[in-house]
Amino acid sequence: DTGVSQDPRHKITKRGQNVTFRCDPISEHNRLYWYRQTLGQGPEFLTYFQNEAQLEKSRLLSDRFSAERPKGSFSTLEIQRTEQGDSAMYLCASSLREQGYEQYFGPGTRLTVT
Amino acid sequence: SQQGEEDPQALSIQEGENATMNCSYKTSINNLQWYRQNSGRGLVHLILIRSNEREKHSGRLRVTLDTSKKSSSLLITASRAADTASYFCAINLPHTGANSKLTFGKGITLSVRP
Repeated sequence: DTGVSQDPRHKITKRGQNVTFRCDPISEHNRLYWYRQTLGQGPEFLTYFQNEAQLEKSRLLSDRFSAERPKGSFSTLEIQRTEQGDSAMYLCASSLREQGYEQYFGPGTRLTVT
Repeated sequence: SQQGEEDPQALSIQEGENATMNCSYKTSINNLQWYRQNSGRGLVHLILIRSNEREKHSGRLRVTLDTSKKSSSLLITASRAADTASYFCAINLPHTGANSKLTFGKGITLSVRP
């Protein structure tokens, strides 16, 4: 257990529905990342927060995706009008800038869109 | 693509043997990291090597970095059944400012037979 938690761990939804995932980073970590991982692939970067500011978004993050980190603590990732291609593991990671570049990953949320 | 590419894709060894995994990349890096992922779980950070370092050790792990060849290797000595997992190299690019996002390879599946 790295100290990063994600909820839910599994989500099955029907195409067209909206889903929201939550990530709770290690409490003192000021950086928070979202990655997406499909079967047989490595994680792909989606977006990054420094405290409450969203500083970078990948081109993978279509306008159906939105992420927030309202108070610089937990973060949410929402997918609107889900598509089957959204099925993946969504991973959250956090790090502390002063401690360098090591990232601590949560267990992930596995999304299945039927 | 700037992602690291691991080699081999899959490796099966007997408990007690050493496992060597390689990673190649295409661009300059700030640092390179190795992560482990057990089936269906989040990633666990193993070791980080900076671009000005050539070798690092952590317990049974030894990582080397050759920036002239743009390659790294991860050696696990005296492997155990518990080392069975997927291993990913991840690169952190320079000039990313505060964003230390990682670019991952596709991973290597290591099986250690008891």
